[in-house]
Amino acid sequence: KQEVTQIPAALSVPEGENLVLNCSFTDSAIYNLQWFRQDPGKGLTSLLLIQSSQREQTSGRLNASLDKSSGRSTLYIAASQPGDSATYLCAVSSGGSYIPTFGRGTSLIVHP
Amino acid sequence: DADVTQTPRNRITKTGKRIMLECSQTKGHDRMYWYRQDPGLGLRLIYYSFDVKDINKGEISDGYSVSRQAQAKFSLSLESAIPNQTALYFCATSGDKGWEQYFGPGTRLTVT
Repeated sequence: KQEVTQIPAALSVPEGENLVLNCSFTDSAIYNLQWFRQDPGKGLTSLLLIQSSQREQTSGRLNASLDKSSGRSTLYIAASQPGDSATYLCAVSSGGSYIPTFGRGTSLIVHP
Repeated sequence: DADVTQTPRNRITKTGKRIMLECSQTKGHDRMYWYRQDPGLGLRLIYYSFDVKDINKGEISDGYSVSRQAQAKFSLSLESAIPNQTALYFCATSGDKGWEQYFGPGTRLTVT
């Protein structure tokens, strides 16, 4: 059974810092990995989707990398802003049905 | 207009009542999912459907049932609500296997 772990569980940083959020998974036979953002009490918004054949994806200040062999993905946020404050979740699709397995998320606070 | 909508957005009900949560999507996706989110437990899959004639149990289906009325509509029912079903419920869709997942805004359900 696929297990997804996100470290750290919570993070508080001053505005302007470059951040790295980590996601690890136990079964490297994945189909893809997706990073989401969730604001308190709201739905999940897709940030980046990395297919298993890809090493990274970029969108604006966000960059996600994937290392299947080591079972790891990182989400890099450049020049963090207070508006980046949210919970970030990663989800890994694997197995015959490609159902995503979610991590518990990293709660990020960026203070001015 | 939102691609994935959920109704109601908030609901308070009493123990033993039957509740239906509805999900509609305009993305034309075949795959639809129901999740619940609890603090500290992350997202857990309740049911999923790969097309109108395909319904599958997720990891926590006890106490829940679903109906896929059309490609665009997927409803979740609690036959006899109990307090530990108090949670945030999300509907999600995706295209073919391994495609990006899109989430609705969520339904906050409280069972007293």
